[in-house]
Amino acid sequence: AQSVTQLDSHVSVSEGTPVLLRCNYSSSYSPSLFWYVQHPNKGLQLLLKYTSAATLVKGINGFEAEFKKSETSFHLTKPSAHMSDAAEYFCVVSDITSGTYKYIFGTGTRLKVLA
Amino acid sequence: DAGVTQSPTHLIKTRGQHVTLRCSPISGHKSVSWYQQVLGQGPQFIFQYYEKEERGRGNFPDRFSARQFPNYSSELNVNALLLGDSALYLCASSLDGRILRSGNTIYFGEGSWLTVV
Repeated sequence: AQSVTQLDSHVSVSEGTPVLLRCNYSSSYSPSLFWYVQHPNKGLQLLLKYTSAATLVKGINGFEAEFKKSETSFHLTKPSAHMSDAAEYFCVVSDITSGTYKYIFGTGTRLKVLA
Repeated sequence: DAGVTQSPTHLIKTRGQHVTLRCSPISGHKSVSWYQQVLGQGPQFIFQYYEKEERGRGNFPDRFSARQFPNYSSELNVNALLLGDSALYLCASSLDGRILRSGNTIYFGEGSWLTVV
């Protein structure tokens, strides 16, 4: 079965410092992995996705993630945090079993950016 | 181009009532999915529809139902509302062909906030 585990429910960083949001996955086949961001009272916006091409994936707003099969990880990073990055971040694995295409979401990591 | 649009954006219902939520997918997208996001949690899959047929259903009771129309828009219906149904209901669409591809991107609307009192 497909699953993702987000290792931190809350992360606080100072503006201008690096961001690291951790995600481990479990998959019975070669996975497709995504990171979505949700700002308060907003829907979900795709940051980036991994689909078995390059293991280092670049996304929007300076975010990137590295797929590491040996560690079953897909951590999200950004070199320098901005106040506007404060939001909820979800790691997602897709599931195509049983003839259905659906996303399996992690529990989310709330990123707080301090001035 | 318009994204996924949902209506209403907010609504309040009383326990036992019925609710209908509506969704229009991105133009050209034939697959619509519904997710429930309870406060403080990640979204949970409810249904997927493709070409008006139910392709999959999550672990939700029969009080939850949905359908997809010929123009690919969709409705989610919830009967006999419970307090625990209070959540953000997200509709999503994807350019889903007959062949499922695990890398397909799903695009989400801003959701319908349902409060059951």
